Amino acid sequence: GESVGLHLPTLSVQEGDNSIINCAYSNSASDYFIWYKQESGKGPQFIIDIRSNMDKRQGQRVTVLLNKTVKHLSLQIAATQPGDSAVYFCAEPVSGGSNYKLTFGKGTLLTVNP
Amino acid sequence: NAGVTQTPKFQVLKTGQSMTLQCAQDMNHEYMSWYRQDPGMGLRLIHYSVGAGITDQGEVPNGYNVSRSTTEDFPLRLLSAAPSQTSVYFCASRRRIAGGPYEQYFGPGTRLTVT
Repeated sequence: GESVGLHLPTLSVQEGDNSIINCAYSNSASDYFIWYKQESGKGPQFIIDIRSNMDKRQGQRVTVLLNKTVKHLSLQIAATQPGDSAVYFCAEPVSGGSNYKLTFGKGTLLTVNP
Repeated sequence: NAGVTQTPKFQVLKTGQSMTLQCAQDMNHEYMSWYRQDPGMGLRLIHYSVGAGITDQGEVPNGYNVSRSTTEDFPLRLLSAAPSQTSVYFCASRRRIAGGPYEQYFGPGTRLTVT
């Protein structure tokens, strides 16, 4: 079936460096993607989303890039801070009209070293 | 707004016991969902509701029941707890907006252990 997955399960960076978290998807018809951040012991928190008619979207210190040719998206975090340490998930609505259902990737654990 | 609240935060059950996980939201969101999160499995959808009186099954519904008598509340019932239901459970809600955005608001989670 269709799935959303991640290339790297863990990522360790130094404080101040930029972080890049990757996500691959298999459904070429997917038209919307979301990134969530989950801190230890908390529920996921929305970070940023992107539609398939866009290649790039920027937020505060975060940028999401979408490459539809290779079905890949990435989340870039600029000047990574200790507070960015968390698990990051990409997600997409389940196709078939049920856009209230999301399929989540397994997540990447980002650790920021001081 | 309190957002999405869940109770209890922690629960230990014996195999065969039943219980209800509570979820409430004060944002007047039409859509509510229950997910379970297991190590290495990501979040998996158990049940969801698109409005009061309407519920449907998600990816892993077996062993769970839900009801949606009001917009605010969406309880999840474990009928006869099994060790395989040991997990962290998250409730989420979002507005019904045609074409998105599909941002869901998640509760803090309930950590359930079944022995």
